[in-house]
Amino acid sequence: DGGITQSPKYLFRKEGQNVTLSCEQNLNHDAMYWYRQDPGQGLRLIYYSQIVNDFQKGDIAEGYSVSREKKESFPLTVTSAQKNPTAFYLCASSPFSNSPLHFGNGTRLTVT
Amino acid sequence: DQQVKQNSPSLSVQEGRISILNCDYTNSMFDYFLWYKKYPAEGPTFLISISSIKDKNEDGRFTVFLNKSAKHLSLHIVPSQPGDSAVYFCAASAMNYGGSQGNLIFGKGTKLSVKP
Repeated sequence: DGGITQSPKYLFRKEGQNVTLSCEQNLNHDAMYWYRQDPGQGLRLIYYSQIVNDFQKGDIAEGYSVSREKKESFPLTVTSAQKNPTAFYLCASSPFSNSPLHFGNGTRLTVT
Repeated sequence: DQQVKQNSPSLSVQEGRISILNCDYTNSMFDYFLWYKKYPAEGPTFLISISSIKDKNEDGRFTVFLNKSAKHLSLHIVPSQPGDSAVYFCAASAMNYGGSQGNLIFGKGTKLSVKP
C-alpha cells in the first residue's frame, strides 16, 4: 500500500535539544515537502526538495535543516535555534508535475 | 499579508443541505487552486482542484467554482453528510509563472460541522 509514513506520531523534547522527524514515502514521487501547522493557522512551508540531493527553503526555514540523500526519505531536523518549535509537522510528496500533494499523518512535536 | 484568505473560521450545516466554503486570494498570478480536507491528528487529503482556465469543476458531491475577476473561489458540498465534518483548506499556486507545488499558499482553514 503506497503512502507517506511519518514517525513518531508524538514527540517530546527538552528545550535546547535538536530533534529529527522522519518522513518516508514509497510512492516514487520526486518532490517532497515539510509543512508546519499551528493552531488556527494554515500550513506554512518549511523546506521542499524537487530531486535527490537538492532542496530549497520555504517561507519559514530558519531553525530547521533537511537532507535528501534518497528519493524515499526527507528527514527534518528541528534545531535549538528554532524559537517556537512546538507544532504539528506535516510531510508531503508529489510527482514532479502539476499534481496535488499527498500528505503523511503528521508528527506533533512538543518542546518544554 | 495573507495571499489566501478563508474568512469564516467555522461553518455549521444541517445534514442533507448545501455547504458553501469560501476562499479569496490577492495574487493575480495564482492560476491553480486546490481544496484539502483535514481530520484531527491526520494529514490533509486532496479533495478537488481547478485551473484558472476553468470556472467550475465537479467531482461527485463536490463542486469548486472560480471567479477570477473577483479573485474568489468556493467549494460546494451537496448534500452535506456528517462524515464531511472536518477542516477545509483552500490553497493556491502560480504554476504558469515559475511556481510549483512548493509554492502552494494555504488559507487558515474553515471548520465544517455537519449536524445529523
